[in-house]
Amino acid sequence: QQPVQSPQAVILREGEDAVINCSSSKALYSVHWYRQKHGEAPVFLMILLKGGEQKGHEKISASFNEKKQQSSLYLTASQLSYSGTYFCGTERKTSYDKVIFGPGTSLSVIP
Amino acid sequence: NAGVMQNPRHLVRRRGQEARLRCSPMKGHSHVYWYRQLPEEGLKFMVYLQKENIIDESGMPKERFSAEFPKEGPSILRIQQVVRGDSAAYFCASSLVWASGGSSYNEQFFGPGTRLTVL
Repeated sequence: QQPVQSPQAVILREGEDAVINCSSSKALYSVHWYRQKHGEAPVFLMILLKGGEQKGHEKISASFNEKKQQSSLYLTASQLSYSGTYFCGTERKTSYDKVIFGPGTSLSVIP
Repeated sequence: NAGVMQNPRHLVRRRGQEARLRCSPMKGHSHVYWYRQLPEEGLKFMVYLQKENIIDESGMPKERFSAEFPKEGPSILRIQQVVRGDSAAYFCASSLVWASGGSSYNEQFFGPGTRLTVL
């Protein structure tokens, strides 16, 4: 039931790009993306509902392929402030409002 | 606009004691979720509540754990007879499910968490 995220961890130099993937074995209603810095609460980035939907948040964007039950988070021209753990959360079509989070992807941006 | 409030931020209990964690959702939010996070791990869903109702408690251990969200006051996560394995960060999130264009959005706002340590 928990979505799968890949990669588990990634290290980037400032200015490099990264993609974080999230997939589920169940039909999805929506995908949520959050970022959590060490010792802090998760912070909402974006939510995607419709298949094929793409959204952007500064230089962070995401897509949702409803048919494949997959979502990808794109980080372009990464900044030091992007470091943290990124979680995808999925709402299944059979259980609206309940969000199940993936195990997280640790992203470290170094100078 | 106050965000989601949780207290206490840190709680230390000895084995066998009770732990009470409180969560005040954002103003106007009627949905509350509790998650547990172990160090270096993800957020594990525990329970989803609306005012006076438990909607989904499939992530709650069957024994010692209970949650409520009364008509007035904060949501409470109660852990009885705590054991060392209960040590974790417990996050509460609230949401206001809203609809637009035939779709409903469930954006969750997280509180700062309560870090429970069981000695």
